[in-house]
Order: sequence, then C-alpha cells, then structure tokens
Amino acid sequence: DADVTQTPRNRITKTGKRIMLECSQTKGHDRMYWYRQDPGLGLRLIYYSFDVKDINKGEISDGYSVSRQAQAKFSLSLESAIPNQTALYFCATSDWNQPQHFGDGTRLSIL
Amino acid sequence: QQQVKQSPQSLIVQKGGISIINCAYENTAFDYFPWYQQFPGKGPALLIAIRPDVSEKKEGRFTISFNKSAKQFSLHIMDSQPGDSATYFCAASQSGAGSYQLTFGKGTKLSVIP
Repeated sequence: DADVTQTPRNRITKTGKRIMLECSQTKGHDRMYWYRQDPGLGLRLIYYSFDVKDINKGEISDGYSVSRQAQAKFSLSLESAIPNQTALYFCATSDWNQPQHFGDGTRLSIL
Repeated sequence: QQQVKQSPQSLIVQKGGISIINCAYENTAFDYFPWYQQFPGKGPALLIAIRPDVSEKKEGRFTISFNKSAKQFSLHIMDSQPGDSATYFCAASQSGAGSYQLTFGKGTKLSVIP
C-alpha cells in the first residue's frame, strides 16, 4: 500500500549502531503506530502517536524511541542496536475509530 | 501475558475446502475484532472485522463467527483457493475514547494446496 511508505525496506547493520526507520503516509490519518513482527510471535506494538504532540509507549518500547516530525511522518530509532532487535518492523496509520493500514515493512538485521 | 490466543499455528487445506482459524481473548473490554491477511513481503491488510453486537459477519467467502460468552471468535474461509495462502492474524482492541490499540494473535500460516 503506497499510502504508507516505509524506508528503508531492508537494512543490515552492526551491534551498537544507531538506526532510524522512517514512515510517511499520504492517507491524512492522525494516528500512527510502530509494530515489531517476529516469527511465531505476531505483531507487538512499540509506540503510537495520536497526533504530533502525542507519543505513547506500547507493549515493548524499551530500547526504542520515536519522533513524530509532522502529521505525515513518524520515525522509529534504535539508539544502540542489539541482535535481538532483528525483526520485521511495520508502521501503521489510522483515523479516529477506524481500522489500521500497514506499510510493507522494514526487514532489519543486526549482526 | 498473551491476551489473544490464536490456533492453529499452521493449517493445510485442499482447494475447495473450508479453512477455520480460532482465536480466544481474555480482556472483556475488547469490542473490536479484526482479521488481517498478510502475504510474504507485504504488510498485514484488513480482511474483515466484527463487533460484539453481532454473532456473525460474512463478506464473500470469508465469515467471522463470534461467541461473546465464550470470549472466542473464528475466521472461516469457504471454498479455499491457492490465492488464499497467507498468514492470518486475529486481533482485538478497545474502542473507548477512540483508542484502537490492537492486540494481535501470533498468526496462522495457511497453505491451500491444489
């Protein structure tokens, strides 16, 4: 769904590096979310934002930080990447009381 | 603590058969239950969703059955096709105050064989 664009699509990096994953949307939605997907574990919420001035921790926020630079942009940072943060990362957006729409993900590998 | 339990983890069905995936939840405050379909290399996409005021919702070959007293809901795919081969996730959320924080099940990988 090109309405929610994630960059990069793939990233390989080393332990200890700072990583930023970016998400932009053209759907005009107020709400944006970051999820992590691990095999056999489903999707788990890392952070979510209901508008530019609102940031909330999700189920697994430790080791991550986010920035909502604009209504359409929401970035996820790993300050010092560790191997167990290797996963698929998804950004999603939604309007108030509406379903979430997902981007196609970033595959992150930390060596 | 897993709040949404999904089974089976994987499922193989012959073309034309019925695929059934089950989910159970614990939080009685949940009032929105979507199913997402995910193909390899893609993000999850909303397939069908239900609220607890109805016991069944059907869209084409896809049906959600909902049992509020048992805190269970299931996805039925009728006349399963090879193109339905994907990973399916159930989810649940509370819609109070406009919140749509989804809690996902662990997923079911469906393979439909010709």
